[in-house]
Amino acid sequence: QQQVKQSPQSLIVQKGGISIINCAYENTAFDYFPWYQQFPGKGPALLIAIRPDVSEKKEGRFTISFNKSAKQFSLHIMDSQPGDSATYFCAASRRDFGNEKLTFGTGTRLTIIP
Amino acid sequence: SQTIHQWPATLVQPVGSPLSLECTVEGTSNPNLYWYRQAAGRGLQLLFYSVGIGQISSEVPQNLSASRPQDRQFILSSKKLLLSDSGFYLCAWSVPYRGSGNTIYFGEGSWLTVV
Repeated sequence: QQQVKQSPQSLIVQKGGISIINCAYENTAFDYFPWYQQFPGKGPALLIAIRPDVSEKKEGRFTISFNKSAKQFSLHIMDSQPGDSATYFCAASRRDFGNEKLTFGTGTRLTIIP
Repeated sequence: SQTIHQWPATLVQPVGSPLSLECTVEGTSNPNLYWYRQAAGRGLQLLFYSVGIGQISSEVPQNLSASRPQDRQFILSSKKLLLSDSGFYLCAWSVPYRGSGNTIYFGEGSWLTVV
């Protein structure tokens, strides 16, 4: 019940296209869903996050779509650029006795080609 | 502003040797501290977390241990490394007690190769 399933494992998108990464979860106690971006040799960094009380959140070219009934959420990158090439992790968390832990998906390696 | 330092950045250790990875956070007090391991194709696995000095919770049984001797210092250790301990280790911190949705901030990571 703690798993977050992420797909695809890798994705190649042409410059200017839309990149879409999908995640699904089972634990209905999750109440926070962030996406992290990781460049090679670096630690992940928060990209964008959403709570289940909204169905969509947009920040610049990045949008999270959230479907509470289906227990799914996705990251859309509009007008994808070569600088977006990175590994993306979805995650989910819940309060746990005053401490917070993230459950991560397995990651998607995104490559944007010119 | 807050910063997190993690070292060493890379190390190659023989099987059976000890391990010590260190992490310090600056610019905040009483942070939640975490150790994650990243293996290819397996995402980020939480190994340990700590809500205070001397308070360590382990998420998975393993050959590793963690300690928090000071408020902003977190150490990952092993007495005898196994080949399966190879991976990318990430220290991280978050602000406590702000409700669900705390951002977790990661360090630059430490590459460990056990040979």
